[in-house]
Amino acid sequence: DTGVSQDPRHKITKRGQNVTFRCDPISEHNRLYWYRQTLGQGPEFLTYFQNEAQLEKSRLLSDRFSAERPKGSFSTLEIQRTEQGDSAMYLCASSQAQGVAYNEQFFGPGTRLTVL
Amino acid sequence: AQTVTQSQPEMSVQEAETVTLSCTYDTSESDYYLFWYKQPPSRQMILVIRQEAYKQQNATENRFSVNFQKAAKSFSLKISDSQLGDAAMYFCAFSGTYKYIFGTGTRLKVLA
Repeated sequence: DTGVSQDPRHKITKRGQNVTFRCDPISEHNRLYWYRQTLGQGPEFLTYFQNEAQLEKSRLLSDRFSAERPKGSFSTLEIQRTEQGDSAMYLCASSQAQGVAYNEQFFGPGTRLTVL
Repeated sequence: AQTVTQSQPEMSVQEAETVTLSCTYDTSESDYYLFWYKQPPSRQMILVIRQEAYKQQNATENRFSVNFQKAAKSFSLKISDSQLGDAAMYFCAFSGTYKYIFGTGTRLKVLA
């Protein structure tokens, strides 16, 4: 296992288009997180899954955003009707719910979204 | 709500010297975790060091150590014998049960 992977790494889209990002967590991790990072800022929490259940959504996650984690494996983050303000790096992370590495999140490389 | 503050947007250190990055946080919780993550340019974030709030002993990982002052809600990172590969953005993060709250980061430059 080589860690958390995200696809695509870069996405350029026109305003109003829909985009979908994928995250594959570390296989034994049952917790998965999405964060958004804008230039010069730290990552901001968007949403959290434990297995397939989405347990928290940030107020940053407007109705245009939806995330899923079918069968508790990979996750997708979809943005509908993209706006220029959605341009950011979208980070995925995963962690174990228990054990020595409890609460330690492992991050993927991110998907950089540019909305023209 | 929890907050994390990193007051140093940028720091510089000479190679082989020591540098300390500052972080303060605010929380009403008594049990939590603190982390320092490193984000090299165009590369993914990796964990540098972690501290459990219930542990009084400061965490150390090779050249990296922390000064955890729970009463003052301070969590600074000391990097000893700085290397060129240490150049990166460093983020301080707070966690209660699961999600992280990050600071705005400190850009560390290492001068040869």
